[in-house]
Amino acid sequence: DGGITQSPKYLFRKEGQNVTLSCEQNLNHDAMYWYRQDPGQGLRLIYYSQIVNDFQKGDIAEGYSVSREKKESFPLTVTSAQKNPTAFYLCASSIGLSGANVLTFGAGSRLTVL
Amino acid sequence: AQSVTQLDSQVPVFEEAPVELRCNYSSSVSVYLFWYVQYPNQGLQLLLKYLSGSTLVKGINGFEAEFNKSQTSFHLRKPSVHISDTAEYFCAVTPNAGKSTFGDGTTLTVKP
Repeated sequence: DGGITQSPKYLFRKEGQNVTLSCEQNLNHDAMYWYRQDPGQGLRLIYYSQIVNDFQKGDIAEGYSVSREKKESFPLTVTSAQKNPTAFYLCASSIGLSGANVLTFGAGSRLTVL
Repeated sequence: AQSVTQLDSQVPVFEEAPVELRCNYSSSVSVYLFWYVQYPNQGLQLLLKYLSGSTLVKGINGFEAEFNKSQTSFHLRKPSVHISDTAEYFCAVTPNAGKSTFGDGTTLTVKP
């Protein structure tokens, strides 16, 4: 079945460490996204990518970095510069960037900073 | 820019009762409208979408929503809820060439 795989599902990090969250899709979608979700809040866009080797900052990109070396992969690195990284992170993809396209989401990765 | 307001953060209802989850939006351009559902510790999945045409759209699991352009609303309804409908529901709007803006979510709790 086609879908999005995020790993790990749970991750604990000490302050000052970088961590990388994996996102892989086999839907042949061109566009991929990273969102952050905090309790009682909607989804906030961190980064998005329309094509390989190209990505743009979203609304809250500070303290995060991404790469898009392959169409099916869009890993997110949470750096030590991110002041409050504890959150639920969701990866999504869509056929393209048209607003009519539906977002398909992964199951999420929950990051906790100790 | 767009904004989305989900008017109720929590909605408790009894099983088999009707429910309405309210969503208002503002935008200076035309937008597409979506409702997504999120079960605990999972990603979001599409319930329904409005792109054009009939303002009443039907989705999965017996949900439907009505687009009201004059009131800039897209309320979600279900005539009879089940325990399994307990989840968080997100309204989202997307302009034609932009990114989605999500509301803060409404937690629907269905009680026996």
